[in-house]
Amino acid sequence: ELKVEQNPLFLSMQEGKNYTIYCNYSTTSDRLYWYRQDPGKSLESLFVLLSNGAVKQEGRLMASLDTKARLSTLHITAAVHDLSATYFCAVEMALRPYGGSQGNLIFGKGTKLSVKP
Amino acid sequence: DTGVSQNPRHKITKRGQNVTFRCDPISEHNRLYWYRQTLGQGPEFLTYFQNEAQLEKSRLLSDRFSAERPKGSFSTLEIQRTEQGDSAMYLCASSPYQGNTEAFFGQGTRLTVV
Repeated sequence: ELKVEQNPLFLSMQEGKNYTIYCNYSTTSDRLYWYRQDPGKSLESLFVLLSNGAVKQEGRLMASLDTKARLSTLHITAAVHDLSATYFCAVEMALRPYGGSQGNLIFGKGTKLSVKP
Repeated sequence: DTGVSQNPRHKITKRGQNVTFRCDPISEHNRLYWYRQTLGQGPEFLTYFQNEAQLEKSRLLSDRFSAERPKGSFSTLEIQRTEQGDSAMYLCASSPYQGNTEAFFGQGTRLTVV
């Protein structure tokens, strides 16, 4: 059974500081996704990481994937209050016999980020 | 708006009643997923369709739950004889079959069973 663990689950940061959120998963997968969720809202896609060594950056966020270590990181640079939200990583289930990727996502519990002035 | 649309956004029901939610995916997206999210947790996969075929169901989907996608477009999720433990946010997502399988989520339907 595929398990996805994020840490930390809660993160309180000061504006301007850097930090990294970690996402470990238990079985082989080449596809990992990062989502952002604001309170009471749905999930906003941030990054799609499709291969070992993939690195993507958008603004103050950078995500990377190491499939050999089964680890993804979400690095926050010079945090600002607008980044306060819950961040989820999700790993896609392995290929299914009827062809193509199944696409079912297994989510971590999320990291609730609070950026304070 | 061409995103995933879910209705209703909120539903309060009495225990034992049946409820039905609707999801309209992004047009031309062949795959449609239902997830459930409880407070403080990540979404949990319930079921998914490729066109009108329901290809996978989670063990979380008890026999009180049924999902349909009759014409391969919109989908409905019905919960019969609701229980308080069914209270959650029900999220629908869709993705194209080919290429990037990134899933796009709707706003969700928040169910409260009283």
